[in-house]
Amino acid sequence: SQQGEEDPQALSIQEGENATMNCSYKTSINNLQWYRQNSGRGLVHLILIRSNEREKHSGRLRVTLDTSKKSSSLLITASRAADTASYFCATDAVQGAQKLVFGQGTRLTINP
Amino acid sequence: GAGVSQSPSNKVTEKGKDVELRCDPISGHTALYWYRQSLGQGLEFLIYFQGNSAPDKSGLPSDRFSAERTGGSVSTLTIQRTQQEDSAVYLCASSRTSGVLNTGELFFGEGSRLTVL
Repeated sequence: SQQGEEDPQALSIQEGENATMNCSYKTSINNLQWYRQNSGRGLVHLILIRSNEREKHSGRLRVTLDTSKKSSSLLITASRAADTASYFCATDAVQGAQKLVFGQGTRLTINP
Repeated sequence: GAGVSQSPSNKVTEKGKDVELRCDPISGHTALYWYRQSLGQGLEFLIYFQGNSAPDKSGLPSDRFSAERTGGSVSTLTIQRTQQEDSAVYLCASSRTSGVLNTGELFFGEGSRLTVL
């Protein structure tokens, strides 16, 4: 079963607007990662946030983590058409073997 | 190579045939992962290698699926007696770590798209 669940499943916004995607998970984690996937391609790592961190920035990306609510958000500011892709959160659970469990993803469309 | 390499990129096979999918990870990466992605869906974990051993095979859907890794490098995912529900993109990823308690950044290949007729 999937550990992470993204919300919304699909998001369509205008270029220049900010995009926010959310991820909820079920068990205690070591870290949470966000990945991007362009259509028909492999996944590309965006950012990793550890369980003892609350916020992290990378360029136009801002990630927050609330371990008490078991949730994370990914904010993309000043969106561009090239940001159109699917975005996945992935969690590394404390219990069990070291592996990343992915959610179902959010399909983001940026309209020019 | 510079990145994770997977072959074949596309494979069309008939139901009941065996297929082998290959993954060549980034040199020096000790951890290797196989995932499966059905159309428009998330990633389903299949198996994970640390070196040549597989601490977690929990995601393999049935005994028709097997995987091995040799020399701490190349891995092969084998699907025997393929079924139509095996149709999906099979993604391989490698990582410098896993450390004892956590998984680092994964580097993904472009995937092998399997179609079972």
